[in-house]
Amino acid sequence: EAQVTQNPRYLITVTGKKLTVTCSQNMNHEYMSWYRQDPGLGLRQIYYSMNVEVTDKGDVPEGYKVSRKEKRNFPLILESPSPNQTSLYFCASSYRPRGNTEAFFGQGTRLTVV
Amino acid sequence: KQEVTQIPAALSVPEGENLVLNCSFTDSAIYNLQWFRQDPGKGLTSLLLIQSSQREQTSGRLNASLDKSSGRSTLYIAASQPGDSATYLCAVYEGGGNKLTFGTGTQLKVEL
Repeated sequence: EAQVTQNPRYLITVTGKKLTVTCSQNMNHEYMSWYRQDPGLGLRQIYYSMNVEVTDKGDVPEGYKVSRKEKRNFPLILESPSPNQTSLYFCASSYRPRGNTEAFFGQGTRLTVV
Repeated sequence: KQEVTQIPAALSVPEGENLVLNCSFTDSAIYNLQWFRQDPGKGLTSLLLIQSSQREQTSGRLNASLDKSSGRSTLYIAASQPGDSATYLCAVYEGGGNKLTFGTGTQLKVEL
């Protein structure tokens, strides 16, 4: 089954404790990205990757890091989480960038930073 | 800066009604438009993708149209069912094509 898998689905952590949210897709997609969803603000892009070893900032990259060492994986790293990073996070992938093909989203990771 | 707006923000209808959800965007230089549904506590499920050169797409009881020049898209749901209850999001790929800009969503409730 074609899918984008995020782990964990739920996470509660404390301020400053480094964490990684994993994202993996099994569709051989080139393009992957991370979004966060907040009430009243909608979904906003954090980082994206056009292919292996190619990443770039989205609209709200502060406080986040990403890496793309393999085509299928695109982890989101919070080096020192803060309460304002409490949010619902989504990973997405598509065969190619520029909207030529459909975007698929993971099930989401609900992160709470206390 | 692209802005995407969806009207209405919330909608409650009785089962069996046909309904239309609206999406408008400020910059017509888009690559495509995609409609999603989001169920509470779950991810986004893709419903329809309309390329910028297309005017509409259909999937089962869903029909989406796109008018780039006026910056509008509509999602038509025929014969609504309680299982259609969800939040519906439209999103556009902007000229740069590297991100989806999402609308504010329409929360739909279909009642028995």
